[in-house]
Amino acid sequence: DAGVTQSPTHLIKTRGQQVTLRCSPKSGHDTVSWYQQALGQGPQFIFQYYEEEERQRGNFPDRFSGHQFPNYSSELNVNALLLGDSALYLCASSPRELDEQYFGPGTRLTVT
Amino acid sequence: GESVGLHLPTLSVQEGDNSIINCAYSNSASDYFIWYKQESGKGPQFIIDIRSNMDKRQGQRVTVLLNKTVKHLSLQIAATQPGDSAVYFCAENDGGGFKTIFGAGTRLFVKA
Repeated sequence: DAGVTQSPTHLIKTRGQQVTLRCSPKSGHDTVSWYQQALGQGPQFIFQYYEEEERQRGNFPDRFSGHQFPNYSSELNVNALLLGDSALYLCASSPRELDEQYFGPGTRLTVT
Repeated sequence: GESVGLHLPTLSVQEGDNSIINCAYSNSASDYFIWYKQESGKGPQFIIDIRSNMDKRQGQRVTVLLNKTVKHLSLQIAATQPGDSAVYFCAENDGGGFKTIFGAGTRLFVKA
C-alpha cells in the first residue's frame, strides 16, 4: 500500500511564474491538507480539502489555491511566485479530519 | 505568527538514555495533540497522539504527557537509539477546526 505521494520532488521557478504541485493521498484517506515548511521551521498550515471543497484555510494569500479531485488527489497552485515562497511543500492525508495525518515526502520549491 | 525561529533548540543524549522533549502549546481550546518526527529530507512522521480527555498515553518506547493546566506537552523516548536522531515537532489541532498548528521543533542528537 503506497503512502502519500507527491510530485514533483524538486522544482525551480522564476519570480512571477505559476506552479502546480500534486498529491495522492494514502489509500482509504479522503482528507488532504497542505503545509508550507520554510527551512529550519515547522510546517505551516495552508488549507485542507474534503469532499472536493476547501474546508479551512491558514494565513496564506489568495495566490495559494487548491483543488481536490473525485479520487481524493489534490493540487496546490501558487500564482505570481515570490522569492519567499521557496520552501518544502508538504501534503498530508487522513481518513477523517482529526485522525492521524500521514505526510508525503514533500516538494522542494525554489524560486529564483 | 505561527512560525518559529531558524535556530532549533537541540537536545543531546547518550545512546540508551531516556529523552524528554517539551512543548508549550498556545490554544486552550485545542483538543488533539500530536508528536511528529522529521528526518532530513523527509516529511514529518507520526509518532503518537493524545486527546484532551487524557493526560498520558504510551506507545512503543514513547510516552506523551499532557498538562492542560499549564498548556504543556512532553514526549518521552525510552532507551534512545541513534535512529531516533531527528527533529521533533509537537502539533495541536485548534479545537473545533481542521487546522493543525505545529510548534517549534527540537533537534534530538543521539551520541553513540
